[in-house]
Amino acid sequence: QKEVEQNSGPLSVPEGAIASLNCTYSDRGSQSFFWYRQYSGKSPELIMFIYSNGDKEDGRFTAQLNKASQYVSLLIRDSQPSDSATYLCAVNFEGGGNKLTFGTGTQLKVEL
Amino acid sequence: NAGVTQTPKFQVLKTGQSMTLQCAQDMNHNSMYWYRQDPGMGLRLIYYSASEGTTDKGEVPNGYNVSRLNKREFSLRLESAAPSQTSVYFCASRRYQETQYFGPGTRLLVL
Repeated sequence: QKEVEQNSGPLSVPEGAIASLNCTYSDRGSQSFFWYRQYSGKSPELIMFIYSNGDKEDGRFTAQLNKASQYVSLLIRDSQPSDSATYLCAVNFEGGGNKLTFGTGTQLKVEL
Repeated sequence: NAGVTQTPKFQVLKTGQSMTLQCAQDMNHNSMYWYRQDPGMGLRLIYYSASEGTTDKGEVPNGYNVSRLNKREFSLRLESAAPSQTSVYFCASRRYQETQYFGPGTRLLVL
């Protein structure tokens, strides 16, 4: 069974610090990778997606992909209290058609 | 452009009752999905529809049925609700290999 693994946390970081969230996946042939943010009681919203090895930056967010090691990470620079949420990693596995498989999420707490 | 809409927002059922959760999207997406989310379990796929006229089982289909009414609408039916189906249900839609968008969710309590 193809799986996506995340540490459930909570991950606590002080305001202004860099938060590093990690995700590993089981299928080396996976093609696309997504990070979603979910506030308590709300639906997931997309932060970033990445297809190729290396880094992709968007504002304070950087997604890093290493296909050989089968991990994808999300860095949040200058963390703000408003970043406190659960972050979900999702993978489009090879042969999975148009389905995403989600990890269970990492809870991030940014403390004042 | 409303994106993905779901009705109802909240529902309380008694064991054995039936209900249909409605989902609609106005983004002309081909694929639509139903997930349930439980504490500590993440998002689990119940059913999906890759395109109009097709539906397939996901990870946890037992106790549910779906209908892809047209390209816009994808409904989820509970024929005989059980307490184990107490959950938050999310509908989502996606254009092939692009971003998946979620609806606001339906909170279901089965007593």
